[in-house]
Amino acid sequence: RKEVEQDPGPFNVPEGATVAFNCTYSNSASQSFFWYRQDCRKEPKLLMSVYSSGNEDGRFTAQLNRASQYISLLIRDSKLSDSATYLCVVNFNDMRFGAGTRLTVKP
Amino acid sequence: NAGVTQTPKFQVLKTGQSMTLQCAQDMNHNSMYWYRQDPGMGLRLIYYSASEGTTDKGEVPNGYNVSRLNKREFSLRLESAAPSQTSVYFCATPDGDEAFFGQGTRLTVV
Repeated sequence: RKEVEQDPGPFNVPEGATVAFNCTYSNSASQSFFWYRQDCRKEPKLLMSVYSSGNEDGRFTAQLNRASQYISLLIRDSKLSDSATYLCVVNFNDMRFGAGTRLTVKP
Repeated sequence: NAGVTQTPKFQVLKTGQSMTLQCAQDMNHNSMYWYRQDPGMGLRLIYYSASEGTTDKGEVPNGYNVSRLNKREFSLRLESAAPSQTSVYFCATPDGDEAFFGQGTRLTVV
């Protein structure tokens, strides 16, 4: 079983749609959690951290359920510029990445 | 302030050739990582170094060696390249929660 598993995607949505990504992790001792964004042929960059209490940054909401070992990312009012691959990341002694979910937002 | 610098950006090798990928960071971070990224596989950890003088295996270390030359530099060596090592390689250095990545090295082994 992979340490971090994500929806395989791809997701193709119209502008203005709401889209949700899911992620599960296997190591219950994992300490911190993140969503990264990766544009085509570029390096990954931090989108947001994920906290047990849930956190929001503009149109983006991330949630963590430690009991279920589950992380989610919700994007509201999708923009064309949101098109990218979204990577779920879990940190224990080192940072482990999910395979990523590709999102394409269409006009 | 360059952050994380990887060289080279592109490389084509013949099977059996060796090469070293270089990574340098000017962020004064203790930890440095090497990942490879393949289609549909995400980033997989090859080796990491928690501090100068220490290195540890990640998920996919076979076929690679690393050297943490000093706090700034962490190199990845392929002693005898194989087509299965065709990939995009990323060096990264975390600072608490956030990891900062180099621009990647696109390696093709023919």
